[in-house]
Amino acid sequence: EIVLTQSPGTLSLSPGERATLSCRASQSVSNTYLAWYQQKPGQAPRLLIYDISTRATGIPDRFSGSGSATDFTLTISRLEPEDFAVYYCHQYATSPLTFGGGTKVEIK
Amino acid sequence: EVQLVESGGGLVLPGRSLTLSCAASGFSFDNYVMHWVRQAPGKGLEWVSGMRATGGLLGYADSVKGRFTVSRDNAKNSLYLQMDSLRPDDTAFYYCVRPHSGGWGPFRFWGQGALVTVSS
Repeated sequence: EIVLTQSPGTLSLSPGERATLSCRASQSVSNTYLAWYQQKPGQAPRLLIYDISTRATGIPDRFSGSGSATDFTLTISRLEPEDFAVYYCHQYATSPLTFGGGTKVEIK
Repeated sequence: EVQLVESGGGLVLPGRSLTLSCAASGFSFDNYVMHWVRQAPGKGLEWVSGMRATGGLLGYADSVKGRFTVSRDNAKNSLYLQMDSLRPDDTAFYYCVRPHSGGWGPFRFWGQGALVTVSS
């Protein structure tokens, strides 16, 4: 099983600041099959980024993904009020599919 | 418009069984892998199981292996999750999920979730 470890657990930032979220895999994620989701309270997760760096339909370009093999990053260039939420990374290369534990981005 | 609607959640005693259903619409159901993902209240996401378009199994999470069974009926555009020997730590929202395209993932479309509460 590929274990995904996200850091930090919580990120306290102000609107307009840059957010950098990390996801580390216990083994290499093949075929670039790494995604990021955003989840707000009471809602289902929303796909932001897939295949490491491809933005899903309708996702603003302030969200970007990067990385390779075992180290991945989600960057939000300038936080908007609606970006304060929990973010999960996810590998869909190998069964069992797995998620990271999440990073909460909160208002400082 | 893609729609995934879960049903069958509720309160159940430990050790009992429950079956969740997911009604899909707005796409060719028999062309897609489908998954179940769960989330305990206030906790993170956990993949439960997935099934290929033709009915082949992708697998189960270790936490449910031997107790849960996923199935689908392409004629009814439906995905199912039979949950046996339920435990309190199975308490969660259960989401029916469709990938972005024809592969296993990523998870583009999510249902609203069905809450399963296992408690005496």
